[in-house]
Amino acid sequence: GAGVSQTPSNKVTEKGKYVELRCDPISGHTALYWYRQSLGQGPEFLIYFQGTGAADDSGLPNDRFFAVRPEGSVSTLKIQRTERGDSAVYLCASSFSANTEAFFGQGTRLTVV
Amino acid sequence: EDQVTQSPEALRLQEGESSSLNCSYTVSGLRGLFWYRQDPGKGPEFLFTLYSAGEEKEKERLKATLTKKESFLHITAPKPEDSATYLCAVQAAIQGAQKLVFGQGTRLTINP
Repeated sequence: GAGVSQTPSNKVTEKGKYVELRCDPISGHTALYWYRQSLGQGPEFLIYFQGTGAADDSGLPNDRFFAVRPEGSVSTLKIQRTERGDSAVYLCASSFSANTEAFFGQGTRLTVV
Repeated sequence: EDQVTQSPEALRLQEGESSSLNCSYTVSGLRGLFWYRQDPGKGPEFLFTLYSAGEEKEKERLKATLTKKESFLHITAPKPEDSATYLCAVQAAIQGAQKLVFGQGTRLTINP
């Protein structure tokens, strides 16, 4: 596809469950980012991948959050033992290289009930 | 700590009424300042990147400017379709620091 694709668009899960959110970046983009956005706020950085490796994971809030990008393309954000406070829109972005503009997907709205 | 503050939080204008949105920032060396537009239920859409004080960029009714402490997004003769939340973000010029630090956004409403 032409843009960044995120699936699912919406996810409702019960407190304590495990969830996976998927991101398909723009073809050829080596840099991939995950952000989290709460209502009325700007996106907050979670993690940045350059190729297959996590170059900066300083934004992950705790060890329940983990992300992978095994082949340097698709990325999965994994959240264990979900809590109601994890409810937010999770945004993925990609860029051609580290110092070029990032393009965002439409986000996954996660609701923990 | 890098920080971005946008003002006002919300702005209502009549169609054709020009105005400016402000983005104040503190960053340990600026690599770039970015403006995005975000429509409800969508991801942010890239508008501009500014790299150095004095730089200006334009796109249709929008013009972004940059000083050493702030950026302005000027909107000239806006139309209802310009209604959206406008986000400002900075990227620090630190080795390995690629993340964007966002402000909370300005919610712009243009009334016909």
